[in-house]
Formats: sequence, C-alpha cells, structure tokens
Amino acid sequence: KQEVTQIPAALSVPEGENLVLNCSFTDSAIYNLQWFRQDPGKGLTSLLLIQSSQREQTSGRLNASLDKSSGRSTLYIAASQPGDSATYLCAVPYGGSQGNLIFGKGTKLSVKP
Amino acid sequence: DAGVIQSPRHEVTEMGQEVTLRCKPISGHNSLFWYRQTMMRGLELLIYFNNNVPIDDSGMPEDRFSAKMPNASFSTLKIQPSEPRDSAVYFCASSQLGQGNEQYFGPGTRLTVT
Repeated sequence: KQEVTQIPAALSVPEGENLVLNCSFTDSAIYNLQWFRQDPGKGLTSLLLIQSSQREQTSGRLNASLDKSSGRSTLYIAASQPGDSATYLCAVPYGGSQGNLIFGKGTKLSVKP
Repeated sequence: DAGVIQSPRHEVTEMGQEVTLRCKPISGHNSLFWYRQTMMRGLELLIYFNNNVPIDDSGMPEDRFSAKMPNASFSTLKIQPSEPRDSAVYFCASSQLGQGNEQYFGPGTRLTVT
C-alpha cells in the first residue's frame, strides 16, 4: 500500500531564506509526482508535476526533484517571501494508475517578514 | 478557461437531509475526481471517472454516498442521508489522463452537517 509522508509538518523561516520541503513515498512504482499549494480555506493549486522519467522540474523560484529509487522528492523554494506562506502537499498516483492521487498530510510553511 | 467550478461553496444542512454537490470540470479534460478533506484524515480520493465512466469508487465510504457523471461537463456527488461525520471540504478535480495527467482542483464545497 502506497504511503506518502511529508516532513516537517510545519516550518517557520525568516523572509529571504532558501528552504527545502521533503516528501517520501513507500512504493517507487509511480507514474508521476505532483506538488500542490493550499492557502487557508482555499482549494489546491498545482505547482509542479514531475513525470517518472524526469529528475526535476523548475518554475520560477520553485524547483522540485524526484528520486524514484529512494522514494523521495524535495521542493526547493528560493528566496522565500511572506506570500509563500501556505500548506504544501505532495501526491503520487497509486495502484499503478495515472490518476488516483494519494496525498501526504502537508507541510505548513510560514515565512516571517 | 474558468478552471474547475464547484457549487455550492458552502452547505449547512441537518442530519438526515440529502446533500448534492456539483462540479463542472475543465473543458476538454477526460477525467474527474472527487476528494474529501478533513483535519483527521487529510485528503482522500472518493471516486474517479474517466470518459464519464466510474473507474474506481473504492474510496466511497458508504452506500449513502453516490456520484454520477451524466456528461463530460457535469458531475454530482450525493449524500443521502447526511450525517455529522460527513462534515468536511469536498473537492472536485479534473485532468487529461494520457497527456501529462496534471490534476486541477476546484475551490471546494465546505459541508457542515448539524
């Protein structure tokens, strides 16, 4: 059974700091991995999707890496800003499917001005 | 594109009442997903459709829950009868499976059953 774990559960950093969020999964036979952002009381916003054949994806100040063999992904945020404060979730499809996502519990990020 | 549209955004109902949640996926997407989010259990998949056909409903908690997708642009999630433990945020998402598979989420429906 696929399990997704995110550590830490919460993180507080000063503005301008570079930071790394971690995601691990137990079954390496994944089709892809997706990172989302969720603001309080809002829906999920897709940040990055990494296909199983890729090692990383970049979007602006965000860089996500994927190491299937070790069952890990990281989301790197450069030069953090207060507007980055949100909960970040990672998700992988399970059961050999392309769509059924199983989510981690998320990392709640707070960037202090 | 307007993104995934869900209605209502908030629903408060009494135990025993029927609740219907609605979703309009992104035009052109072939798959639609219903998720539920609670503090205790996080985000859980309830059911997903591909080309309007239910593919996996193993996450539907009980027979009180049912979902339909009569056409490519509309889906409903119905709870009958509702119970207080059904209180949660229900999200609908859509994607184009086979082409990237990135899922896009709607704003959610916050359901409170008293």
